Amino acid sequence: EIVLTQSPGTLSLSPGDRATLSCTASHYITSTSLAWYQHIPGQPPRLLIYGASTRATGIPDRFSGSGSGTDFTLIISRLEPEDFVLYYCHHYGSSPGAFGQGTKVEIK
Amino acid sequence: QVQLVQSGPEVKKPGASVKVSCKTSGYTFVNFGIGWVRQAPGQGLEWMGWVGTYYGHTNYAQSFQGRVAMTTDTSTNTAFMELRGLTSDDTAVYYCTRLSLAYYAMDVWGQGTTVTVS
Repeated sequence: EIVLTQSPGTLSLSPGDRATLSCTASHYITSTSLAWYQHIPGQPPRLLIYGASTRATGIPDRFSGSGSGTDFTLIISRLEPEDFVLYYCHHYGSSPGAFGQGTKVEIK
Repeated sequence: QVQLVQSGPEVKKPGASVKVSCKTSGYTFVNFGIGWVRQAPGQGLEWMGWVGTYYGHTNYAQSFQGRVAMTTDTSTNTAFMELRGLTSDDTAVYYCTRLSLAYYAMDVWGQGTTVTVS
């Protein structure tokens, strides 16, 4: 089973800063099977990125994804106040699927 | 518009089973899978598995094998998730999701169902 490890666990930044979130898979996974989700506590998660790099409908262009193989990255180019929440990577494919443990982006 | 509406909160005793429903609308049900995700208090998101709506095939996370059953009813465009042998560790919010089989992503989510085991 694939294990996804996200780093850092918490990212302390200021509005306007650039955020770089990492997701590392225990084994090779196809880029098509990697997605990123934003989660505001108390609400359902929201799809941000699928296929490692494609923004979902309605997602601002300050969010971008990249990576391949075992290493994937979510970048938020200029943090807005509403971006200080939780982010998860997720893999689904031929193996059962898994989430990373999450990265919390907090205001410094 | 596309909607996934889940059944209401549940309170169960340890050892019991729970069945959560997910009524879909606004899209062609059999063109997407249904995924299930849960979040226990203070924990991250946990992938439970998914069910294919056309043939009903399933793929469960290893930690739920033997204890979960995901099914669908194409006559009512509704998906179901039944979890057996409940313990306090199963206290969580359970989400159903529309799973794109082309893009391997969950693009629409239900509102969540709180299951409390006590």
